[in-house]
This record gives sequence, C-alpha cells and structure tokens, in this order.
Amino acid sequence: DVKVTQSSRYLVKRTGEKVFLECVQDMDHENMFWYRQDPGLGLRLIYFSYDVKMKEKGDIPEGYSVSREKKERFSLILESASTNQTSMYLCASSAYDTGRNIQYFGAGTRLSVL
Amino acid sequence: GQQVMQIPQYQHVQEGEDFTTYCNSSTTLSNIQWYKQRPGGHPVFLIQLVKSGEVKKQKRLTFQFGEAKKNSSLHITATQTTDVGTYFCAGRSGGTSYGKLTFGQGTILTVHP
Repeated sequence: DVKVTQSSRYLVKRTGEKVFLECVQDMDHENMFWYRQDPGLGLRLIYFSYDVKMKEKGDIPEGYSVSREKKERFSLILESASTNQTSMYLCASSAYDTGRNIQYFGAGTRLSVL
Repeated sequence: GQQVMQIPQYQHVQEGEDFTTYCNSSTTLSNIQWYKQRPGGHPVFLIQLVKSGEVKKQKRLTFQFGEAKKNSSLHITATQTTDVGTYFCAGRSGGTSYGKLTFGQGTILTVHP
C-alpha cells in the first residue's frame, strides 16, 4: 500500500513564525504535491514537484515555498505565517505521468496561525 | 488557467434516495478522476474516465464523462449512510503536466437515516 505521511496532524503557530510542513512517501513516486483545503474552495494546488530539486508553482503559491532535496520528501515552508494561512494542508504523491497518475494523499495537517 | 466547477456544494438526502454531482471544466480534459473524502479523512481515488462518452459503474456508483470531455457526473443510486463524505472531481489537461490535477470545489453529501 502507498503511504504518504505528514509529520503533524495539528499545528498551532504564531503570526510571523517560520513553519515547516513535512511530507514523506514510500512508493518511489516522482510527483509530489501540496494543497490547501478550505470550506467551499475545494483543494487548491500550492506547489508541486516532478523530480528532486524540481518544483513548479501551483495556483496559489504566494506566501509559500517548497523544498525537495530527496525523492521521498517534499516540504512546504511558510516563511512568515499569517492568519490567512490557517487551513488544512494536504500532501499527495503520484507516479510518473503515465496517463493513470492516481494521487495518494496524506492524512493532512490542520494548521492554525494565531 | 483551467477551472473545474462542481455542483451542488451541499446535498442532503434521506437514506435510499439517489444523489448526483456534476463537474464542468472550462477546457477539454484528457481524463477526469473522482475522489471521495470521508469526514475527518483524506481524499481517496475512486475512478478515472478517459474516453469521450465513457460510462463506468462501481456497484451503486455510476460515473460518466461527457462527449466533449468537458463535463462529468457521479450518480449514486439508493444512498446509504456509508456514502457520506465529500466527492471531488479532478481534471487533467493534455500534454505533459506531471500528473497535475485541477480539483473541483467538491460536493458534501449528508445522508439522513
């Protein structure tokens, strides 16, 4: 079974703090994704990565950065957390673009920025 | 950019009633996927549709992909309490997209026993 593990289920941070969200997958997937999920807005793509050290902006990259130093690990960084970044963050991974690239999701991190 | 709209946002049904959610894309899709997220859980893949006009069934769930490959629907017959959750469609555009999907807003289904 594919396993995507996010380091924290719940996180509470202060405004202005630097926040790291970690994601690890064990299926040797090339693609990894970070989404945020907000009521009524569905899943919005923040950043994705298709290879080590490769990254591309998604639909809402402002205020975020990412790091992929190893194939299995994809980190989301909030350089200076703000209250409007309070949300559920979901990490996903998928195999190389074969036309049937199912995304496997982690359990999510619920981040509160106070 | 590509947009995927999904309606309705919420649906409340009595157990045994049918349920349908609709998905519309602003652009032609190469394929569409459907995911289900149980309350407190994470999205889980249900199915992928690729061909124009394709219809697939999974027990009480029927998935359709439109002829123009711009819309899709999920129909559940005789809902059960185990069907509760949020259903997302996710469209993939053509070309090399590194597996990137554009998700709809989701439909939250509540089933009253």
